[in-house]
Amino acid sequence: KNEVEQSPQNLTAQEGEFITINCSYSVGISALHWLQQHPGGGIVSLFMLSSGKKKHGRLIATINIQEKHSSLHITASHPRDSAVYICAVLGGGNKLIFGTGTLLAVQP
Amino acid sequence: DADVTQTPRNRITKTGKRIMLECSQTKGHDRMYWYRQDPGLGLQLIYYSFDVKDINKGEISDGYSVSRQAQAKFSLSLESAIPNQTALYFCATSDGRGDTQYFGPGTRLTVL
Repeated sequence: KNEVEQSPQNLTAQEGEFITINCSYSVGISALHWLQQHPGGGIVSLFMLSSGKKKHGRLIATINIQEKHSSLHITASHPRDSAVYICAVLGGGNKLIFGTGTLLAVQP
Repeated sequence: DADVTQTPRNRITKTGKRIMLECSQTKGHDRMYWYRQDPGLGLQLIYYSFDVKDINKGEISDGYSVSRQAQAKFSLSLESAIPNQTALYFCATSDGRGDTQYFGPGTRLTVL
């Protein structure tokens, strides 16, 4: 079993829909990251969380440390949000452990 | 200009050849990482370095070696490339605070 599990693996939405991507982990962590990988391959960091909730524009990330679970929400989705969203946790040894990603396609 | 650059961006080579992938950063970070990405798998850590004199193996270091020539430069070598090393390779840097990582654009390597 992977230490970081994401769901769903694939998600198709219509423009304007509210989107939720989930991440569960099984190890102790000091931080959790959400990353975005565009179709061209580039990876950018969206959020780093250690507790609570963060918001940036239409993106919201939450984490529940007790339940070892995080969610990434996208409000008013747009085709330009189409990308792979990756959850990663900072475990022991200061190394990131990555989930396999959620492929999101937002259709006009 | 990009903060983290990788060269080459694409490379096709043959089995048995020695290949070097280079990474440079202008962010002034001490920590640098090499990852590979395969379809359907998460990013996997090959090697990492927390400063110029520190080199550590990641989870899939076999068949690879690295050199940290300076704070800004971290190179990955495949001593004798094999087809299952065909993958997308990413270099990343971090400042060690919570470990937000800054990724290079990636190198697509194909070993025939």
